[in-house]
Amino acid sequence: GAVVSQHPSRVICKSGTSVKIECRSLDFQATTMFWYRQFPKKSLMLMATSNEGSKATYEQGVEKDKFLINHASLTLSTLTVTSAHPEDSSFYICSAEPGTSEPGELFFGEGSRLTVL
Amino acid sequence: RKEVEQDPGPFNVPEGATVAFNCTYSNSASQSFFWYRQDCRKEPKLLMSVYSSGNEDGRFTAQLNRASQYISLLIRDSKLSDSATYLCVVTTSYDKVIFGPGTSLSVIP
Repeated sequence: GAVVSQHPSRVICKSGTSVKIECRSLDFQATTMFWYRQFPKKSLMLMATSNEGSKATYEQGVEKDKFLINHASLTLSTLTVTSAHPEDSSFYICSAEPGTSEPGELFFGEGSRLTVL
Repeated sequence: RKEVEQDPGPFNVPEGATVAFNCTYSNSASQSFFWYRQDCRKEPKLLMSVYSSGNEDGRFTAQLNRASQYISLLIRDSKLSDSATYLCVVTTSYDKVIFGPGTSLSVIP
């Protein structure tokens, strides 16, 4: 199947710093990527839809100035958590849909576990 | 009412047992349906698509009932390696992907 790579897999940072997470589609081009957040023992919560060459679409309640998304190429989307606070600690996962798949057939990155001290 | 609902479990079953998971969705215009599997602290992975005619993949059988807005996943002859959280996923007519809260399965030796 299609491969999506996410980096870093784990990051620990101090409160107030910014953290960038990268999501790459390795063997296909993705005009759209998705960013999710997952709390322990909870399902994935869609944060935003990343669109190549245009602004991301954020879900209700997600602060776009807090979670900056850049989708500069067809294989790379980045999520930057700005001025991170302990409540931002979570598991962040990206996903992408190859153009040949049907909607909902997603391939996920390995996830990034963020811990803000 | 949540858009996609699942029994959270946990389901604790012995090896070799048959276990069934249910999922209901609220939007009658939903178009595509999937089951994903998520291991602890890992990313979700697509297990199988769900079609109106039902589909089977080895020990796994998925069924869709559009009239009742209901999806099921049946696992036969459970293995220890089946222990995971199973996520029901529904896409709407405008391609929005909605994840259910997941059902936790533990297969016990």
